[in-house]
Amino acid sequence: SQQGEEDPQALSIQEGENATMNCSYKTSINNLQWYRQNSGRGLVHLILIRSNEREKHSGRLRVTLDTSKKSSSLLITASRAADTASYFCATDGTNFGNEKLTFGTGTRLTIIP
Amino acid sequence: NAGVTQTPKFQVLKTGQSMTLQCAQDMNHNSMYWYRQDPGMGLRLIYYSASEGTTDKGEVPNGYNVSRLNKREFSLRLESAAPSQTSVYFCASTGQVRQPQHFGDGTRLSIL
Repeated sequence: SQQGEEDPQALSIQEGENATMNCSYKTSINNLQWYRQNSGRGLVHLILIRSNEREKHSGRLRVTLDTSKKSSSLLITASRAADTASYFCATDGTNFGNEKLTFGTGTRLTIIP
Repeated sequence: NAGVTQTPKFQVLKTGQSMTLQCAQDMNHNSMYWYRQDPGMGLRLIYYSASEGTTDKGEVPNGYNVSRLNKREFSLRLESAAPSQTSVYFCASTGQVRQPQHFGDGTRLSIL
């Protein structure tokens, strides 16, 4: 079963607005990662946040992690047309031998020029 | 920088045919992965190779086999293709487990 579930499944906003998408997961994690996928392409890593971190920034991206609620959010500020893509969260387990990533179902983001 | 290269990009097969999907990385990564992506399902892990010489099953291994040919190459084989294996297949690699993975652009496979 999927570890991560993104919410919403799809999001359309005007260029320049902020976009927020959420990820929930079921079991304890070591790291949580966010990836972007442009249409017809492979996934590209955006940011990794460790279980002992609460917030992380990278350019226009801000990721938060709440391990007590088993949830994370990805905020993209001042959105651009080029941000149109699907966004996935991925988690890994805490146990030895359980380091594999489990991906959520993704949020499809459309930026309207 | 080529990164992760997958071949072919597209393929159409008939039920029962076999084929091998190729993946090569030029980043000297230890770990390599094969995923399939279906609409509304996200990515599901088929097989992975934590290091050269080892392979392990992922979430959906049935109907597939893999070979870690050397450190660079990791192939996925469908012995007898079924329509349920119609999907987009992605190969990924990473230097260390738990670290960000680098993905190829996928193989779009249709089985009729």
